[in-house]
Amino acid sequence: EIVLTQSPATLSLSPGERATLSCRASQSVSIYLAWYQQKPGQAPRLLIYDASNRATGIPARFSGSGSGTDFTLTISSLEPEDFAVYYCQQRGNWPPSLTFGGGTKVEIK
Amino acid sequence: EVQLVESGGGLVKPGESLRLSCAASGFTFSNYVMHWVRQAPGKGLEWVSYISASTSYKYYADSMKGRFTVSRDNAKHSLYLQMNSLRAEDTAVYYCARGDHCSGGVCRDYGLDVWGQGTTVTVSS
Repeated sequence: EIVLTQSPATLSLSPGERATLSCRASQSVSIYLAWYQQKPGQAPRLLIYDASNRATGIPARFSGSGSGTDFTLTISSLEPEDFAVYYCQQRGNWPPSLTFGGGTKVEIK
Repeated sequence: EVQLVESGGGLVKPGESLRLSCAASGFTFSNYVMHWVRQAPGKGLEWVSYISASTSYKYYADSMKGRFTVSRDNAKHSLYLQMNSLRAEDTAVYYCARGDHCSGGVCRDYGLDVWGQGTTVTVSS
């Protein structure tokens, strides 16, 4: 079973700053990694799929990179609405189980 | 509007059963893989189950195998999760989410791009 480890657990930043979130897989997942944003009381929202493809309607300040075991979600300049918890997720080839990372909370400094 | 709406959550005692439903609208339901994902209070996301677009394949997280059953009715644009022998640790918000798009026998994973608002299941004596 592939384990996803996200770091840091918490990121304290100010609006306008750049956020860099990491997700490391215990074995290669190629490019098959997605990122989600979740705000309190809301369902998760897909940001990135296949490591670097922005989902429909996602602003360009969100970008994803990486392949194999190391992935990064970058928010180029934090907007007030970006303070939330971010999860990475991968899907096994077969059986198609999903694994989520533990999450990174981006909080206002 | 593309939408998923869950229902059926509630308060049950340990050992009891519950059936969750997820109503889909705004898209061709039968062309998509569907998942259930849950989130315990204050915790992260945990995958629960997968069902293929045609209902041929169903998969579960290990802790749910033998207790949970996923099904779908493509004619009714609905997804279901039958949960038996519920335990306190099953307490969570349960989300349905849209997965792979399938066409002509080929499925493509674009992430879980549509989520319901969630339904809360509380297991307590």
